[in-house]
Amino acid sequence: QVQLVESGGGLVKPGGSLRLSCAVSGFTFRDYYMNWIRQAPGKGLEWVSYISSSGSTIYYADSVKGRFTISRDNAKNSLYLQLNSLRAEDTAVYYCCSGYCYGGGCYYDHWGQGTLVTVSS
Amino acid sequence: DIQMTQSPSSLSASVGDRVTITCRASQGIRNDLGWYQQKPGKAPKRLIYAASSLHSGVPSRFSGSGSGTEFTLTISSLQPEDFATYYCLQHNSFPHTFGQGTKLEIE
Repeated sequence: QVQLVESGGGLVKPGGSLRLSCAVSGFTFRDYYMNWIRQAPGKGLEWVSYISSSGSTIYYADSVKGRFTISRDNAKNSLYLQLNSLRAEDTAVYYCCSGYCYGGGCYYDHWGQGTLVTVSS
Repeated sequence: DIQMTQSPSSLSASVGDRVTITCRASQGIRNDLGWYQQKPGKAPKRLIYAASSLHSGVPSRFSGSGSGTEFTLTISSLQPEDFATYYCLQHNSFPHTFGQGTKLEIE
């Protein structure tokens, strides 16, 4: 059974930091690229960051570039997102999401249940 | 950045209706598009990949079509469990971008 379980969210003051984790089971983690996606309260989905299956290729949304860092540990089947210099507008539910590439293309696959990050003084 | 314009933003329909949701890309994205369903308080769920392929376990009343810049999600006969918000996502180039969402409500 595929499971993606995020953790690490919480209440943090503006300028603070958090580290989100996503523990994966039920599929071969090292074969999948991974993404973080967030959803502000009452708003739509926003892609945040991507990391390739090996970890060698990384992309960020402009809104988080220079403040957030994505990483993965394939030996531990885990994905991470380090959030620094947090702002009120970073308040959102953060989802990890797996992605898979095959001969015909790629697709986003399974999603975690999300972890809430609240940035407030 | 590629903009995804999704329409309508909301839609009222009845059980048994056929509904269509559209996403337009600001530039060509081949068929690098997926559709997702989200219910309140829950994570998004995959429906369609490569614009027109149904993910495993998704009912056949869902279908997708399109290529290039125009894409549609069709639900052929609405069921009570289909009332939710639907999003398209382009993954042709970074940053990956979502449509604004379509909230499908019971009429």
